[in-house]
Amino acid sequence: QSALTQPRSVSGSPGQSVTISCTGTSSDVGGYNYVSWFQHHPVKAPKLMIYDVTKRPSGVPDRFSGSKSGNTASLTISGLQAEDEADYYCCSYAGSYTWVFGGGTKLTVL
Amino acid sequence: EVQLLESGGGLVQPGGSLRLSCAASGFTFSSNAMSWVRQAPGKGLAWVSSINGGGDDTYIADSVKGRFTISRDNSKNTLYLQMNSLSAEDTAVYYCAKRWGKTFDYWGQGTLVTVSS
Repeated sequence: QSALTQPRSVSGSPGQSVTISCTGTSSDVGGYNYVSWFQHHPVKAPKLMIYDVTKRPSGVPDRFSGSKSGNTASLTISGLQAEDEADYYCCSYAGSYTWVFGGGTKLTVL
Repeated sequence: EVQLLESGGGLVQPGGSLRLSCAASGFTFSSNAMSWVRQAPGKGLAWVSSINGGGDDTYIADSVKGRFTISRDNSKNTLYLQMNSLSAEDTAVYYCAKRWGKTFDYWGQGTLVTVSS
């Protein structure tokens, strides 16, 4: 499968909101409500932030929200904080117990 | 506390083999599907392989099919990835991850595999 398409970078000032898009196809993002988002700080383990398009695991601040329209999913981070600076990856189930990830988006908090 | 600790990475020559291990703790290992995900230098994450809790159902990405094999030893709470016929394109940090529904809720910190002569 081809990787999902994400912007290489986004940025925002503390307190602002940013949205990261993730575009796939009808075989992955558009075909299933199983999009996840992961936060990845260098040399640390990736952290699940959003699953099943809109759900937040316990402990994840409600500043993080997810949505989907057609073949494009989005992660919105509101009230940006310095600690949010990281790489963010989307991931979609692609059927038959296979998954496809995005290329990653580097979030810079200005 | 869920912990996943990968090991076995290192430098290997093209065409060589390597076996990665992932020691799990903090949850009922045998009841949970597990996966391997990798990240090549400067690239995004890529799903590699998954295995169900019992170890009898496995799934593998086309990019490594025929060369990589996922397995598990539930008596040792350990996940494995046997990698054969390695090439430079396999150079990556390899993460093990606990599957949860159709996502991955816990990840290890990864082990680096470098394929180079």
